[in-house]
Amino acid sequence: NAGVTQTPKFRVLKTGQSMTLLCAQDMNHEYMYWYRQDPGMGLRLIHYSVGEGTTAKGEVPDGYNVSRLKKQNFLLGLESAAPSQTSVYFCASSSWTSGNTIYFGEGSWLTVV
Amino acid sequence: QQQVKQSPQSLIVQKGGISIINCAYENTAFDYFPWYQQFPGKGPALLIAIRPDVSEKKEGRFTISFNKSAKQFSLHIMDSQPGDSATYFCAATKETSGSRLTFGEGTQLTVNP
Repeated sequence: NAGVTQTPKFRVLKTGQSMTLLCAQDMNHEYMYWYRQDPGMGLRLIHYSVGEGTTAKGEVPDGYNVSRLKKQNFLLGLESAAPSQTSVYFCASSSWTSGNTIYFGEGSWLTVV
Repeated sequence: QQQVKQSPQSLIVQKGGISIINCAYENTAFDYFPWYQQFPGKGPALLIAIRPDVSEKKEGRFTISFNKSAKQFSLHIMDSQPGDSATYFCAATKETSGSRLTFGEGTQLTVNP
């Protein structure tokens, strides 16, 4: 019963490096999301997707790109990492059949030095 | 700007006591208000949710109280247990927005034995 799986779980990057976070869900959900969690700021939506091949900007999209080439996968890319992107990143998914319940992965801890 | 404000930031309660966490929202278009519970090292998980057509919803020891005119809602945890120690997030969304939740800042609850 995997649900939402994120890889990698931990990563340390140097400023200016690039990386991709991978999210996979096995619930056949239409909607997928990337949030970042920072102390005292709750979870903030970076980008989201309402279906395969579609993406849209959330509240804090700058410095990130996403792709949804397959329904089950949602990739978050950092082209040139900055220390301000040090955060915990959560992928989530939902379906119109699940009401408004969204299911989160376990998080990816990213440190940019 | 933070459209959902949550307080307190941290809360310490004795076992058996009542934990109360408050949230206030600004956007009158919001029509779905969930609470998420997050344990250390895990992703948030849906705890309980309410829609504005009712003023209260109870599930076991957890109750949401909703005040539409004041644009406020709160989570009450009765008979708080050490196992309830976690971070709690309130959230809000417009149901037709594809579950794009706006989260509060989070409350770290500690229940002492």
